[in-house]
Amino acid sequence: NAGVTQTPKFQVLKTGQSMTLQCAQDMNHNSMYWYRQDPGMGLRLIYYSASEGTTDKGEVPNGYNVSRLNKREFSLRLESAAPSQTSVYFCASSSISYSNQPQHFGDGTRLSIL
Amino acid sequence: DQQVKQNSPSLSVQEGRISILNCDYTNSMFDYFLWYKKYPAEGPTFLISISSIKDKNEDGRFTVFLNKSAKHLSLHIVPSQPGDSAVYFCAASGLNAGNMLTFGGGTRLMVKP
Repeated sequence: NAGVTQTPKFQVLKTGQSMTLQCAQDMNHNSMYWYRQDPGMGLRLIYYSASEGTTDKGEVPNGYNVSRLNKREFSLRLESAAPSQTSVYFCASSSISYSNQPQHFGDGTRLSIL
Repeated sequence: DQQVKQNSPSLSVQEGRISILNCDYTNSMFDYFLWYKKYPAEGPTFLISISSIKDKNEDGRFTVFLNKSAKHLSLHIVPSQPGDSAVYFCAASGLNAGNMLTFGGGTRLMVKP
């Protein structure tokens, strides 16, 4: 089982460039999430999609946009990359909203912005 | 203001001994708590969870304890093995539409052979 797949695994951008991070899950999960991980700060939620057709802001949404393309896919877009967005980005999914279910994570995209 | 805190950035333990990782939270609306384990260059992997209606949950070598009055939880690993060396994240959730999690900053556990 692939689980949660993120592409690309690594990317280097210049300030001002745009980019879309892709995420797909094959577990038939309803909810999907984007996090960023910075040293000493754990994972912080950027955006989430509780179900297909809905998206909502998390803790740190500024500078990002998302699209829930279908039930499987949830993309994260940086319209104008800034050095402060250098981070490791994780996508996650979970089965049911309004329920305590563990989230399953992809292996991350390491993004550097020069 | 961090709602979930792991005050020990790192912990070193001898193989075979007990590892105790701690986590504190401030939001009294949290009712579900999880521990994730993360190896380098991989995503976090779910380890064990506990609901606020319990004070202990056990799964093999891993036990999570919850003290609601102190807003504190801990993860015990007995016996510790070198393969347990990883970063451990505590996370918390309240009943919400998106099943959102709030994570602590992580504790790096090193188990020495």
